[in-house]
Amino acid sequence: GAVVSQHPSRVICKSGTSVKIECRSLDFQATTMFWYRQFPKQSLMLMATSNEGSKATYEQGVEKDKFLINHASLTLSTLTVTSAHPEDSSFYICSAPGQAFKGKLFFGSGTQLSVL
Amino acid sequence: RKEVEQDPGPFNVPEGATVAFNCTYSNSASQSFFWYRQDCRKEPKLLMSVYSSGNEDGRFTAQLNRASQYISLLIRDSKLSDSATYLCVVNLNTGFQKLVFGTGTRLLVSP
Repeated sequence: GAVVSQHPSRVICKSGTSVKIECRSLDFQATTMFWYRQFPKQSLMLMATSNEGSKATYEQGVEKDKFLINHASLTLSTLTVTSAHPEDSSFYICSAPGQAFKGKLFFGSGTQLSVL
Repeated sequence: RKEVEQDPGPFNVPEGATVAFNCTYSNSASQSFFWYRQDCRKEPKLLMSVYSSGNEDGRFTAQLNRASQYISLLIRDSKLSDSATYLCVVNLNTGFQKLVFGTGTRLLVSP
């Protein structure tokens, strides 16, 4: 079945550094990729929607200059957290809809980011 | 008011028990509804869609009440492996552009 491969699964970095998270769709083409963030005991919050070949659409309150999204091909979308700070520490997860969407999103395995 | 509201729990139940979770949504124009399951720090996985007529999948039964904007999930004969967080998910349009996730209800099934 369709799989979304996300890595790294865990990142620990110093404040001020940039972190890149990759999501690849395996065996299917993902023209759209959703990026979510989840803080402990909170719901998945949609940050942005990336579309292959065009600019990402950011949700209200999400800084596009801080969270850079690139959807360079039909199988790869990346999220770069620039100049990370401790408050950016969170669980980041991507997902892509299947071709016959019926509520089923294919999720990556998530990235736990810890900024010291 | 949150778009999707759930009781965070935890619900502590013994094996074999029946447990029900509720969820309310605020947007009456919501088109479709789902229950996802999420294990700790793992990706959510689709458990089942929720249809107006109610639907069942093995030990799991989902119900939708559009008039009350209310969704439920019933789990019968709980297993230890059912321990997880159950996310109520609402789609605000007919595509996939606006899935809204509830905070989830945590279930703990004990021996």
